[in-house]
Amino acid sequence: DQQVKQNSPSLSVQEGRISILNCDYTNSMFDYFLWYKKYPAEGPTFLISISSIKDKNEDGRFTVFLNKSAKHLSLHIVPSQPGDSAVYFCAASKYGNKLVFGAGTILRVKS
Amino acid sequence: ETGVTQSPTHLIKTRGQQVTLRCSSQSGHNTVSWYQQALGQGPQFIFQYYREEENGRGNFPPRFSGLQFPNYSSELNVNALELDDSALYLCASSLGGSSGRAETQYFGPGTRLLVL
Repeated sequence: DQQVKQNSPSLSVQEGRISILNCDYTNSMFDYFLWYKKYPAEGPTFLISISSIKDKNEDGRFTVFLNKSAKHLSLHIVPSQPGDSAVYFCAASKYGNKLVFGAGTILRVKS
Repeated sequence: ETGVTQSPTHLIKTRGQQVTLRCSSQSGHNTVSWYQQALGQGPQFIFQYYREEENGRGNFPPRFSGLQFPNYSSELNVNALELDDSALYLCASSLGGSSGRAETQYFGPGTRLLVL
C-alpha cells in the first residue's frame, strides 16, 4: 500500500534552470508534508515542510506547493545548482509521529 | 547544538544473531523515531519513542524492539537476524508536545547493517 508516490525515478536539469519534483499521496488524513535531500552514505537532510492548512511555503531557492484536492505536492528549486544533485524524498505524516516516504527521485543538475 | 548521531556506522552480522543499534538525539529533542531503508526504497517507519514510551509502531515483527532512555537517547534491537534485515537503519529525533504530536524529524547518518 504505497500511500506516498514519487513517480519520476530521476530528473536531469541544466544548472540555473528550475527543478520541479513531484509527489502524490492517497491518504487524506495526512496533515504535514516534508521534503528531504539525501546524499550517498548520509542520512536524509530536512529541506522544507508544509502544513495542510497552507498551499505554499518558501525558503530561499526552495518552494513547496500543496494541492489538497489533487493530493499532490511539488518542490521547486530555482535556480538549480550542481550541489543540488542528490536523491529527494517526499514524506507525509498524520499527527507527526510516523513519516511515510516516497521512493525518491534522483536529481542531476548539469553544469 | 549537536545533531543526531548513530553508532556504529557499519555492521556485519550472520543470520540468527542479534544486533543493537544506538542513537543520540539532537539537543532539546524528546522524541526518537527509527526507520529501515532498503536499497532503492524510501525509509520505512519501524517505531517511535516519546519520553521513554513507544508512541506508534510500523509493520515490523516483534523481533524489532526498542528503548528510549531518560536522556532521550535510544536503542534499536533486532533479534534472530534474517538476510532481508540488511539495510540502512536511520534514527530521527524531533520535539514532541504533551499530545505526543511531533514536529519535523531530523535524521542521523544511519547504520549500514549487512546480514550474511
